[in-house]
Amino acid sequence: KNEVEQSPQNLTAQEGEFITINCSYSVGISALHWLQQHPGGGIVSLFMLSSGKKKHGRLIATINIQEKHSSLHITASHPRDSAVYICAVEYGNKLVFGAGTILRVKS
Amino acid sequence: DVKVTQSSRYLVKRTGEKVFLECVQDMDHENMFWYRQDPGLGLRLIYFSYDVKMKEKGDIPEGYSVSREKKERFSLILESASTNQTSMYLCASSFRDNSYEQYFGPGTRLTVT
Repeated sequence: KNEVEQSPQNLTAQEGEFITINCSYSVGISALHWLQQHPGGGIVSLFMLSSGKKKHGRLIATINIQEKHSSLHITASHPRDSAVYICAVEYGNKLVFGAGTILRVKS
Repeated sequence: DVKVTQSSRYLVKRTGEKVFLECVQDMDHENMFWYRQDPGLGLRLIYFSYDVKMKEKGDIPEGYSVSREKKERFSLILESASTNQTSMYLCASSFRDNSYEQYFGPGTRLTVT
């Protein structure tokens, strides 16, 4: 069993829809990261969270440390949001990654 | 801007060949990492290095070795490539004091036939 589980694995949405991607983890962590990977491209960091909520543009990330759960929300989704979204937790001296959620936003 | 470059975007090799994947970063980062990324499994750490000539095994080091002769360059070596090493390979780097804030290269998609 992976220490970091993401859901859904695949998500297709229509432009303008509100999107939620979930991440659950089974170990005690110091912080959690959300990352974005565009097709053919490298990985970029979106958020680092240790508590509460962060917002950047149309992206919102929340974390509940007690429930070991985080969500990434995208408001007013757009085709350019199509990418793989990856959750990673800081555990020990390394990052442990989820398998990723493949998001496709159709126009 | 931090830049992490990898020597090839796509590579096709035959079973048994020795394969070198090169990674170069220009931000004077102490830490460098090699991951492989497979569908449904996410990124898994192969090796990392926190200084020149230093290396540490990650979660899946079998079948791989690494070399770090210069601070900016970290090489991943497949001594005898096998088909189960077909994967996307990603290099990353970070400062020593902030190993979690990693900057990733574009990846090398390796196919072993």
